[in-house]
Amino acid sequence: AQSVTQPDIHITVSEGASLELRCNYSYGATPYLFWYVQSPGQGLQLLLKYFSGDTLVQGIKGFEAEFKRSQSSFNLRKPSVHWSDAAEYFCAVGARTTSGTYKYIFGTGTRLKVLA
Amino acid sequence: KAGVTQTPRYLIKTRGQQVTLSCSPISGHRSVSWYQQTPGQGLQFLFEYFSETQRNKGNFPGRFSGRQFSNSRSEMNVSTLELGDSALYLCASSLVPDYYEQYFGPGTRLTVT
Repeated sequence: AQSVTQPDIHITVSEGASLELRCNYSYGATPYLFWYVQSPGQGLQLLLKYFSGDTLVQGIKGFEAEFKRSQSSFNLRKPSVHWSDAAEYFCAVGARTTSGTYKYIFGTGTRLKVLA
Repeated sequence: KAGVTQTPRYLIKTRGQQVTLSCSPISGHRSVSWYQQTPGQGLQFLFEYFSETQRNKGNFPGRFSGRQFSNSRSEMNVSTLELGDSALYLCASSLVPDYYEQYFGPGTRLTVT
């Protein structure tokens, strides 16, 4: 079955430190991969996406992610975290269903806390 | 260009009542999907609409239904509300079905008492 795993429920980093949020997926083919961010009381904002090609993708707000097929991973990184990055981050996989339609599967999210 | 809008933003209902939530997609977007977000279950897909037709449906009981209008606006309805229906309901729009990028609205926070 298709699934997305975000092993870290909570992560705390100091402002200015680097960040890596983990995401692993289970899918038979190469999926379409996404990272979203959700601030309290808000909807989800797309940070970046991977469809094909270069496995290192750049997104908004200084985020990047690297697709590693051998590890079935799509980890999100940022070299220097800002206090405004405190939010919940969701990894998602876009996968074809058996009926040929397309659906998103979301991970359970990682809540990021930033210390001043 | 305006984003996805959802109304109302907050709603409090009593068990047994029904509720209707509304979603207006980004202009030009024709596909609308609905998700339920709860602390325990995370983000779960409810259904997807395109051209006034439901294309995909998640694993939710028949109390959850939706529709789409000719202008692509969508509504979802939950009948006979249960306490467990308390959640943030998110609407997402995309240009067409199976188009990879979805854009989410701010959500409707439903509380069932």
